[in-house]
Amino acid sequence: GAVVSQHPSRVICKSGTSVKIECRSLDFQATTMFWYRQFPKQSLMLMATSNEGSKATYEQGVEKDKFLINHASLTLSTLTVTSAHPEDSSFYICSVRGFGNTIYFGEGSWLTVV
Amino acid sequence: KNEVEQSPQNLTAQEGEFITINCSYSVGISALHWLQQHPGGGIVSLFMLSSGKKKHGRLIATINIQEKHSSLHITASHPRDSAVYICAVSLISGGGADGLTFGKGTHLIIQP
Repeated sequence: GAVVSQHPSRVICKSGTSVKIECRSLDFQATTMFWYRQFPKQSLMLMATSNEGSKATYEQGVEKDKFLINHASLTLSTLTVTSAHPEDSSFYICSVRGFGNTIYFGEGSWLTVV
Repeated sequence: KNEVEQSPQNLTAQEGEFITINCSYSVGISALHWLQQHPGGGIVSLFMLSSGKKKHGRLIATINIQEKHSSLHITASHPRDSAVYICAVSLISGGGADGLTFGKGTHLIIQP
């Protein structure tokens, strides 16, 4: 069964609106979760590290005011894309480090901004 | 800046063939991961290596730390092995973030 659950798997939103993506760790508590983005035919790129109870750490070039990350509990991190634009259309995926540093990925979320 | 280079970018083979995918990286790492991504986007972790060799079923992964190189092998390949295989590394010093750096992936198609 899934270790990390991500929702929604697909979402279409209008330009200028906000959309929230959830990442849940089902089998263990996760003080740290990672958010990645993948454009078509490109590598996955780390966007930010989500830290439970504190501010997320963003990678260079990722706007923290546009991609809001909240990690309010040990099992849930959310990524909110604010004021979405068509260029934000992408595949977003989260991951969690489990026992023995094994990495578990969510199912991913396809975002289309129209 | 760490670069992760994979080769080949695309590979088409016949069912039953032995497959090798290569990965090279440029800086010190704490671990190297081989991942499998299916067309729907979902990603599965196949191996995590810090040295030597690991085997799981028909998959074998090796790493040479001195040469900064890893290979993923698939024996007796099958059409269901068709996917994108991604090499990713965890850096020794994450500089604040502890996420992965990814290669661009190898698109593998196994024809019946």
